[in-house]
Amino acid sequence: AQSVTQLDSQVPVFEEAPVELRCNYSSSVSVYLFWYVQYPNQGLQLLLKYLSGSTLVKGINGFEAEFNKSQTSFHLRKPSVHISDTAEYFCAVSINQAGTALIFGKGTTLSVSS
Amino acid sequence: NAGVTQTPKFRVLKTGQSMTLLCAQDMNHEYMYWYRQDPGMGLRLIHYSVGEGTTAKGEVPDGYNVSRLKKQNFLLGLESAAPSQTSVYFCASSYHSNQPQHFGDGTRLSIL
Repeated sequence: AQSVTQLDSQVPVFEEAPVELRCNYSSSVSVYLFWYVQYPNQGLQLLLKYLSGSTLVKGINGFEAEFNKSQTSFHLRKPSVHISDTAEYFCAVSINQAGTALIFGKGTTLSVSS
Repeated sequence: NAGVTQTPKFRVLKTGQSMTLLCAQDMNHEYMYWYRQDPGMGLRLIHYSVGEGTTAKGEVPDGYNVSRLKKQNFLLGLESAAPSQTSVYFCASSYHSNQPQHFGDGTRLSIL
């Protein structure tokens, strides 16, 4: 069975600083990986996805993530954060098998202050 | 293009009451999902559907029932509400299990 671990529940940073949100997964088969963002009182929005191909994936709002198969990780990065990036971020994994669903991590709260 | 629409957005119930949450999507997606979100727990899958007329249990199915009579709609029912079901409920849909899910804005449900 697949599982996802987000290593930090809260990440406080100052505006314009770089940030990395860590995500590790476990699976015995090939996986597809996603990062979602949730702003207060809203649903989840897709930030980026890795399905195949280049291991460096670029998403919206200047975020990127790198798929590392040997370390089973999919960490999310941004070189310079803004106040507006304050939100909760979820890593999720799925496998290419009909009838299965995404497995979400417990989330990381990113708090950006000035 | 409305995407995924959840009805209602807020609801307060008394213990033992029943209700149905409605999810509608206009993207012709095969897969639909119901999650609950609780502080520190992330999103937990309640039930999901891989097509019209099909349903399957997720991680936390107890106390809930679902139906997918039409491809565009996925209903979540609480037959006898309990305070432990106080949560924010999200519906999502996707073309396939390995494709991104599109989420509704959520339903905040309080059980007194």
